Amino acid sequence: KQEVTQIPAALSVPEGENLVLNCSFTDSAIYNLQWFRQDPGKGLTSLLLIQSSQREQTSGRLNASLDKSSGRSTLYIAASQPGDSATYLCAVRPRTTDSWGKFQFGAGTQVVVTP
Amino acid sequence: EAQVTQNPRYLITVTGKKLTVTCSQNMNHEYMSWYRQDPGLGLRQIYYSMNVEVTDKGDVPEGYKVSRKEKRNFPLILESPSPNQTSLYFCASRETPNEKLFFGSGTQLSAL
Repeated sequence: KQEVTQIPAALSVPEGENLVLNCSFTDSAIYNLQWFRQDPGKGLTSLLLIQSSQREQTSGRLNASLDKSSGRSTLYIAASQPGDSATYLCAVRPRTTDSWGKFQFGAGTQVVVTP
Repeated sequence: EAQVTQNPRYLITVTGKKLTVTCSQNMNHEYMSWYRQDPGLGLRQIYYSMNVEVTDKGDVPEGYKVSRKEKRNFPLILESPSPNQTSLYFCASRETPNEKLFFGSGTQLSAL
């Protein structure tokens, strides 16, 4: 079964520093990988979605890379701001015959950006 | 505005009393799903629906029921809530063809 891991569980950085968040998965057979942001008491918001044929996606200060062969994805947030403080989760959609509706999520990395 | 709406936002119940959490989306998405989120465990999928009248189990379906009679609605039913079902629940729908997920704001359930 596909397992998704995010290390570290928590991270604190000073404002202006670049953030690097990691996501690893055990089975390289995936359709896509998605990064989400979750604010306290709120739902998840999709930030970036990388299809299996892609190596990276970019949106503003955010850049996500995907290396299927090594089972890793990295989310980069440039020039972090206090408003970037949130929990960031990744999710993969496995490419298996019984996975048409299934997504596997990591437990998330809680980020605090200090002014 | 495109959104997934869950109700209620907070719910306190006694064990054994049947309850329903509603979920509605206005994006005409065929796919909808329910998750529970527990500290340190991430999101775990309860049930999903590929379309009207088509539902299937996720990773943790025990103690839950769902139905999909209309495309926009996907209610989650707890027939006899137990304390281990105390959790934060999220409903989601999926855009096609890129599979971007849209989540509701969550329902915090406490089963005492």
